[in-house]
Amino acid sequence: QVQLLESGGGVVQPGGSLRLSCVASGFIFNTHGMHWVRQAPGKGLEWVAFIRFDGANKYYAESVKGRFTIARDNSMDTLSLQMRSLRPEDTAVYYCARDSRTWVVDYWGQGTLVIVSS
Amino acid sequence: DIQMTQSPSSLSASVGDRVTITCRASEGIDTYLNWYQQKPGKAPKLLIYSASSLQSGVPSRFSGSVSGSDFTLTISSLQPADFATYYCQQSYSTPLTFGGGTKVEIK
Repeated sequence: QVQLLESGGGVVQPGGSLRLSCVASGFIFNTHGMHWVRQAPGKGLEWVAFIRFDGANKYYAESVKGRFTIARDNSMDTLSLQMRSLRPEDTAVYYCARDSRTWVVDYWGQGTLVIVSS
Repeated sequence: DIQMTQSPSSLSASVGDRVTITCRASEGIDTYLNWYQQKPGKAPKLLIYSASSLQSGVPSRFSGSVSGSDFTLTISSLQPADFATYYCQQSYSTPLTFGGGTKVEIK
């Protein structure tokens, strides 16, 4: 079965950096685009970034553009999100998610919590 | 960016009730509209894609439809497992955007 396991969350000071990882299993990783979606405590869902199945195209939400970088390693079935210049408003649970058909998310990981606070 | 407006933001219903949730896009999105269910402390789950296609494994009491610019998620007979928050999402263009959510609570 499809599994997505995120790691790397934690507490970081404003202006700091953090790298999230997601290990995928149960499907052919290099045939699917992948997303990061986040959810601030008690709030709704916010799409963060997408990377095409081969890494050739990447898209970002305006709120993270220039600060976050999505990447993938198809040899390791791994997705990552490098986050820099973190702000308190980046505090959220970050979900790794699979794209089933263009821009439709059919599987989600359990999420990893990022807290940006001094 | 395409804004997605969901209504109501919350509702109370009883087991067996028919429940309807509406989502409207700020511009035309054809049928590029998806519905997700999220329970507290859990990841979202895809229910409906392309406005009306039922995701594999999702009970048939869930259905989606579109009329003009209004998209609707219907639960034909609410079950205890259906008490959750529901989100719509447009997959027409980036940035992908979600509605604000509809919390379905027990009456």
